[in-house]
Amino acid sequence: DAGVTQSPTHLIKTRGQHVTLRCSPISGHKSVSWYQQVLGQGPQFIFQYYEKEERGRGNFPDRFSARQFPNYSSELNVNALLLGDSALYLCASSFQTGGEEKLFFGSGTQLSVL
Amino acid sequence: GQSLEQPSEVTAVEGAIVQINCTYQTSGFYGLSWYQQHDGGAPTFLSYNALDGLEETGRFSSFLSRSDSYGYLLLQELQMKDSASYFCAVRDNYGQNFVFGPGTRLSVLP
Repeated sequence: DAGVTQSPTHLIKTRGQHVTLRCSPISGHKSVSWYQQVLGQGPQFIFQYYEKEERGRGNFPDRFSARQFPNYSSELNVNALLLGDSALYLCASSFQTGGEEKLFFGSGTQLSVL
Repeated sequence: GQSLEQPSEVTAVEGAIVQINCTYQTSGFYGLSWYQQHDGGAPTFLSYNALDGLEETGRFSSFLSRSDSYGYLLLQELQMKDSASYFCAVRDNYGQNFVFGPGTRLSVLP
């Protein structure tokens, strides 16, 4: 079975632009979470979606938004990009919305904002 | 607020045992997880403790003391491939939003 897949793997944008990152969870997983990982730090929670509904939101500005589709794939959108948005964006999937101990991460999208 | 503390770096030789500590301060607690991340790779789940005590999975073990807000990851019979960053993470509610520590970079020397 395929793991969590993310696209694109790398992306270069300039300040003020908009970006859309995509994630396909493991087959059968209904929960998708997004994390931001700055170099040298641990992942930081952005959003969780389950059954197309937002179930959690981290401490990120409204420029960050996400959605989940009927096939459980997800998109993360970031508007008005800032230099500080440069990071590795990780998607993680799990079967349930809560109570599970294990997150399955994709390899991430490396976003560089110039 | 929420915070987790881990040593930034640990170095050990092949075949040795190393312990990576994690202390946490969160508003709620539903469990402590450990993840391994190789350079350029995705974080990979290692272990999870919801209750006090030791959980063993092969060469890796994880311990939790909820009263001390403390846990550790124990790696035995170190191999070169264990060189990676290790993150502890606390789930502070029933959802899937984990709070990750800053990570410990383990270097295994021949």
